[in-house]
Formats: sequence, C-alpha cells, structure tokens
Amino acid sequence: EAGVAQSPRYKIIEKRQSVAFWCNPISGHATLYWYQQILGQGPKLLIQFQNNGVVDDSQLPKDRFSAERLKGVDSTLKIQPAKLEDSAVYLCASSLEGLSNSPLHFGNGTRLTVT
Amino acid sequence: GENVEQHPSTLSVQEGDSAVIKCTYSDSASNYFPWYKQELGKRPQLIIDIRSNVGEKKDQRIAVTLNKTAKHFSLHITETQPEDSAVYFCAAKSGTNAGKSTFGDGTTLTVKP
Repeated sequence: EAGVAQSPRYKIIEKRQSVAFWCNPISGHATLYWYQQILGQGPKLLIQFQNNGVVDDSQLPKDRFSAERLKGVDSTLKIQPAKLEDSAVYLCASSLEGLSNSPLHFGNGTRLTVT
Repeated sequence: GENVEQHPSTLSVQEGDSAVIKCTYSDSASNYFPWYKQELGKRPQLIIDIRSNVGEKKDQRIAVTLNKTAKHFSLHITETQPEDSAVYFCAAKSGTNAGKSTFGDGTTLTVKP
C-alpha cells in the first residue's frame, strides 16, 4: 500500500511569515494526526481528525496554528505567523480508526526552519 | 492527560549485547503500547506493539513486556547489531479520549561494532 504522503519535505521561512503543510493519508484510514517533533523530543500531538471532524486539538496553539481535513481525506496544517520556536519536524500520521488498537503510520515529515 | 516517561535517554551497547528500554505511563485507560524506531532523518516506524490483555510479545530479536499494575512496559532487543542504532520511542494509546497516542521522549541507541 502507498504510505502517508507529505509535502514539502523542507521549508525555510522568516519569523512572522506563514507556511502550510500538506498530508495525504493511507487510503481508507479514517484517523489523521499532525504531530510536532522538536529535535531531541518525542512527537507531540497537535491535532487529531476522525474523518473530517476534529476529535482533539487541545495542544494546538490556535492563535497561530490551524488545520483542516476537507472531505475526510487530505489535510493541511498552517502556521501564521511563524515564530522561532516553531522550528521542528511536522509529522502527519494516519491510522485505521482512532479508538482501535491500530498503529500510526507516519509520513516522512516536513522539516521547518524559522529564521 | 496521559504522561509517558522513557528511560534511558541514551544507551550504548556492544554488538551482540542486549538492550532494554523502559517506559512508564500514568493513564489506566491506556490499552495499546506500540514501539517505534526512527532512523536519522526518517519517519518513525512501528517495530512491535502490545495490547493491554497481553503480558509479553516477541518477534525474533525484539520483545516487549507489559506490567499493567505497575503501569510500565519495556522493549528488549537481543543480539544487537549496528543497524539497530536509531532512536526508539514508546507510546501509550488511550482506550478513551479519542484514542490519543502519547509518546515518550525517545532513547538513542548506539550499537558499537
């Protein structure tokens, strides 16, 4: 099966600029996650979608981050305006269903550098 | 919310030795515990998982044990090889809370040839 696709692979922006990341999950996976992975740390959940509805966005900095999953398939994550501390790898993952014992399948991530 | 602690943060072993990584979790509603391996610059990939109704699971050189009472689980790698060098993450997935997965901060394993 095709894996989770993410783009772009790398992005360098200046602080206060905006940036958007795209994710296409594995076909048939109802649950989609965006994680932020800062160097030397584990992935931290930003937002979780079940189909096209948000089930957890408690750790999403909503003053600057937004995400959507139109039609329950692809998703975009946006940061506006970016801060230096947003420099991280943004990982998209999908799983068959949120509550089941199904593992996460990760994309290759987008490495964001904010200067 | 769930809190997952992982130890040690770095681990160096000689090729052929065993490596053990331990994680503790706080939420008794967590019922699924996967382990992911992340090589430098690559995506985390599942290597083994265990469900809360099982105490131990083994897959070739890799095993995972779970103690639900104590809320801890461990990854065991035997006969380590240089290609086992990577960052390993444990995670705990809630059986409620929309199935949220919480990750540990990772263990950097170095296997010296």
